[in-house]
Amino acid sequence: GAVVSQHPSWVICKSGTSVKIECRSLDFQATTMFWYRQFPKQSLMLMATSNEGSKATYEQGVEKDKFLINHASLTLSTLTVTSAHPEDSSFYICSAREGQGMETQYFGPGTRLLVL
Amino acid sequence: GQNIDQPTEMTATEGAIVQINCTYQTSGFNGLFWYQQHAGEAPTFLSYNVLDGLEEKGRFSSFLSRSKGYSYLLLKELQMKDSASYLCAVLDSNYQLIWGAGTKLIIKP
Repeated sequence: GAVVSQHPSWVICKSGTSVKIECRSLDFQATTMFWYRQFPKQSLMLMATSNEGSKATYEQGVEKDKFLINHASLTLSTLTVTSAHPEDSSFYICSAREGQGMETQYFGPGTRLLVL
Repeated sequence: GQNIDQPTEMTATEGAIVQINCTYQTSGFNGLFWYQQHAGEAPTFLSYNVLDGLEEKGRFSSFLSRSKGYSYLLLKELQMKDSASYLCAVLDSNYQLIWGAGTKLIIKP
């Protein structure tokens, strides 16, 4: 199956700093990438959808100025958590889809963020 | 609104069979996915159903009834490594994935 990588896998940072998470599709071109957040014992929560070369579409309640998403190429999307606070501590997962329709989403391994 | 329902937790015995049900009410339907998620890891793809019927893939099978808004994931010959959460997700008319909360499956020896 398709491979999606995510880096870093673990981040511990101080409150107020910014953290960048990279998501790459390794063996296919991802026209659409998704960013999810998952709190312990909860399901995935979609944060935003990004298409290559255009602005991301954010879900209701997600601050676009706090969670900056850049989908600069067909194989790379980045999520930057700006001025992170302890409540931003979570498991961030990206997924990538090759086409626009019914193609399967393939998930990256996730990034665990801990803000002290 | 859109809604995906699946049991919160199920327990089964190693070597047995377990069926995890999922019912959905969504705005449009373009297929249903099952994902497996081990604790602390990202989901991994198990199956995709868009037509009614049973799809078999090794020890795992997935069934869909679009008229009933119903799917199930059937796991046979359970192994300890099958202990995980199983997520049901529906692709709606906008090709957005609507996620269920997941079913935590506990396998006992």
